[in-house]
Amino acid sequence: SQTIHQWPATLVQPVGSPLSLECTVEGTSNPNLYWYRQAAGRGLQLLFYSVGIGQISSEVPQNLSASRPQDRQFILSSKKLLLSDSGFYLCAWSDPGLTGNSPLHFGNGTRLTVT
Amino acid sequence: DAKTTQPTSMDCAEGRAANLPCNHSTISGNEYVYWYRQIHSQGPQYIIHGLKNNETNEMASLIITEDRKSSTLILPHATLRDTAVYYCIVRVARSSGGSNYKLTFGKGTLLTVNP
Repeated sequence: SQTIHQWPATLVQPVGSPLSLECTVEGTSNPNLYWYRQAAGRGLQLLFYSVGIGQISSEVPQNLSASRPQDRQFILSSKKLLLSDSGFYLCAWSDPGLTGNSPLHFGNGTRLTVT
Repeated sequence: DAKTTQPTSMDCAEGRAANLPCNHSTISGNEYVYWYRQIHSQGPQYIIHGLKNNETNEMASLIITEDRKSSTLILPHATLRDTAVYYCIVRVARSSGGSNYKLTFGKGTLLTVNP
């Protein structure tokens, strides 16, 4: 069966420090991968998605970047964190399939607090 | 993508059926209805999805009206562990040489199951 791993679970970082969050998926090949952010009391905002190695699409301009160095690895990064980067970051995957209606499967998230 | 409207919150007694409504009056013919839920401090969990026909799985049933302008998620015997925010999303399935799609989450319905 497929599993998704996301770490760390919680992170406290000072303003201006770098960030690297990692997500890996097991049990599937060539998944679509996604990074979402959820601010307190709000819905989920799609940040990045990827359909293959090295292919990244950004949904909103921001202080973050994403990379996909391997088929089942997705990394969220920042060179200098801002206070507004605090939030709950979620990685997700979906099966590309043929019909395009396969659901998203989420990791357990990383709660980032920028101080 | 079509927008959805859900009540902000609902209560349900433990052991009773929980019926969560969703309005998607602008849905188009090729858009699927998806339901997810998010338990506090965890990643969203996929529940069920459908296009036209009613669907049932081990977690819930999805009832879609004939005109597809609304749907209801039914948890047949709600337990305390079903307390969560439930998201209704409509999204077109896209295939483009291997498929890719993204979901936009709103604020959902907070379902509280009471003992």
